[in-house]
Amino acid sequence: DIQMTQSPASLSASLGETVTIECRASEDIYNGLAWYQQKPGKSPQLLIYNTNSLHTGVPSRFSGSGSGTQYSLKINSLQSEDVASYFCQQYYDYPNTFGAGTKLELK
Amino acid sequence: EVQLQQSGAELGKPGTSVKLSCKVSGYNIGNTYMHWVNQRPGKGLEWIGRIDPANGNTIYAEKFKTKATLTADTSSNTAYMQLSQLKSDDTAIYFCAMGGTPGWFAYWGQGTLVTVSS
Repeated sequence: DIQMTQSPASLSASLGETVTIECRASEDIYNGLAWYQQKPGKSPQLLIYNTNSLHTGVPSRFSGSGSGTQYSLKINSLQSEDVASYFCQQYYDYPNTFGAGTKLELK
Repeated sequence: EVQLQQSGAELGKPGTSVKLSCKVSGYNIGNTYMHWVNQRPGKGLEWIGRIDPANGNTIYAEKFKTKATLTADTSSNTAYMQLSQLKSDDTAIYFCAMGGTPGWFAYWGQGTLVTVSS
């Protein structure tokens, strides 16, 4: 199985700050990567697919990049509503696997 | 608008089975794939498997091959997952999601909490 190592596990940032979350795959996943946001008690919501494609309705302050085994999610100008957990998912191969998550809090 | 409505919380005794449902509105499940993902308390997401409702073809993560059984009924636009031989370790929230194969999950159900306890 492809292992997804996500970092950091938790992150504290101020409003308006730019934050970056990273995922490293144990092998090349050929841009088959998505990012999800999950708020407490809710189901995950798709943010980014195919490494850098913004899902419909997702604010443009979210962006994704990467290739090969290294991928990242960037949130520009952090807003209070961005406080959540974030997960990466590789879907290049079965079984799909997720990163362990990053819990983003406000400083 | 696409919506996935999952069945209510389940309390199961060890060794028994539960069957969860995921009814889709706004899209024909025969034209997509239905995936199931779990999330143990305070933990991350774990992919269980997926079904092609058009032909019943399934793919499972290795550890769920004898635990989960995925089925779908295109006439009612509903996907199902049966969990068998329940153990305390199966206590989790189970989500259904629509996506490609492989692919990302643009639509998710609200989740069903399964609690295993005697």
